[in-house]
Amino acid sequence: NAGVTQTPKFQVLKTGQSMTLQCAQDMNHEYMSWYRQDPGMGLRLIHYSVGAGITDQGEVPNGYNVSRSTTEDFPLRLLSAAPSQTSVYFCASSPPSSGANVLTFGAGSRLTVL
Amino acid sequence: DAKTTQPPSMDCAEGRAANLPCNHSTISGNEYVYWYRQIHSQGPQYIIHGLKNNETNEMASLIITEDRKSSTLILPHATLRDTAVYYCIVRDAGGTSYGKLTFGQGTILTVHP
Repeated sequence: NAGVTQTPKFQVLKTGQSMTLQCAQDMNHEYMSWYRQDPGMGLRLIHYSVGAGITDQGEVPNGYNVSRSTTEDFPLRLLSAAPSQTSVYFCASSPPSSGANVLTFGAGSRLTVL
Repeated sequence: DAKTTQPPSMDCAEGRAANLPCNHSTISGNEYVYWYRQIHSQGPQYIIHGLKNNETNEMASLIITEDRKSSTLILPHATLRDTAVYYCIVRDAGGTSYGKLTFGQGTILTVHP
């Protein structure tokens, strides 16, 4: 098992550009989520999904879109990048029910918006 | 969600036990205590969780007080690779809140040679 795979690991964007951060898991986990982590702060939940076709907003969803067409993939889209979106992004997945809070995280994607 | 309080930093000598405390005085009956850690620049890693009984796995032990208002994560023989930020999180295990964890500032554990 590869676990949770995030691509790219590093990305530099200019303000206004769009891009997609990819996240894939091979553990057949139903639950997937995206967090961002800024210097000196804890992780903050952006969006999450409890299964294919179902997504919902987390704590800081503005400026981001998600979709979940398959169990394996949960891409995060930045429609018009802003410097405030400079951050490290982590994707996570977990099994359903009582195991849902036992998250497996990816290695992270470091995004810089100029 | 119950709020947690952790010391901002702790030190430990290599080979000794690291005991990381967490206060969660407002925890409710159906909330579990979860511990994660984040080694520099890596994604957080799940360590252990428990409801009211003490738990042990290959990574650590979790001791929860009888009144459940505090807990201690124990790394029995700390190594340099255990240097990380440790997060204590309280959350119910299911329902509509599952998977939506709130990571606070955590405790920076530094293991010295």
